[in-house]
Amino acid sequence: ETGVTQSPTHLIKTRGQQVTLRCSSQSGHNTVSWYQQALGQGPQFIFQYYREEENGRGNFPPRFSGLQFPNYSSELNVNALELDDSALYLCASAIQGAAQYFGPGTRLTVL
Amino acid sequence: KQEVTQIPAALSVPEGENLVLNCSFTDSAIYNLQWFRQDPGKGLTSLLLIQSSQREQTSGRLNASLDKSSGRSTLYIAASQPGDSATYLCAVRGAKDGSARQLTFGSGTQLTVLP
Repeated sequence: ETGVTQSPTHLIKTRGQQVTLRCSSQSGHNTVSWYQQALGQGPQFIFQYYREEENGRGNFPPRFSGLQFPNYSSELNVNALELDDSALYLCASAIQGAAQYFGPGTRLTVL
Repeated sequence: KQEVTQIPAALSVPEGENLVLNCSFTDSAIYNLQWFRQDPGKGLTSLLLIQSSQREQTSGRLNASLDKSSGRSTLYIAASQPGDSATYLCAVRGAKDGSARQLTFGSGTQLTVLP
């Protein structure tokens, strides 16, 4: 158990809809990162938040956005869902620069 | 752009064997390298973290080595057990501005240990 939790566990949406995924960081961790993992692939970095500011972003379009709250919980929002957005979404928390601890993930299916 | 490759993609061994998983990366300017385990449909469990200044780390039956100059890391699993069956992922954190924010992952090695 890493102390990082994610909700919901599974989610089914249709193309064009919007979705919000949630992550609760491990206590004391001030950095949260989000990753997308397609079936059979390694996770791909979406973005990172540090002290409520986005401070790094991977190769994902602006319809992927996020928030980090003062209690270090976090949200990933995806607008205008596409079929290729179907994946396991992982969040990871850390103390800045240290090892990242991953949550169990949210499985998103877009129909 | 950092690229991480893991070989083999899949491996099946009988219980009790010692085995080695390989990871290579293209940019040697890394801050650290982490090995993870992932069970089907689950999140990632961190196994070992090696800082760029270190050569190896050990935890129980696991030993990870790092050769930064050649862009290689290996994960050695001693006396494998059926419970070790999972996908093993390696990930590097870059040392340069921008790349330091993210982990870059390989596609993993799917390990099956047969009883």
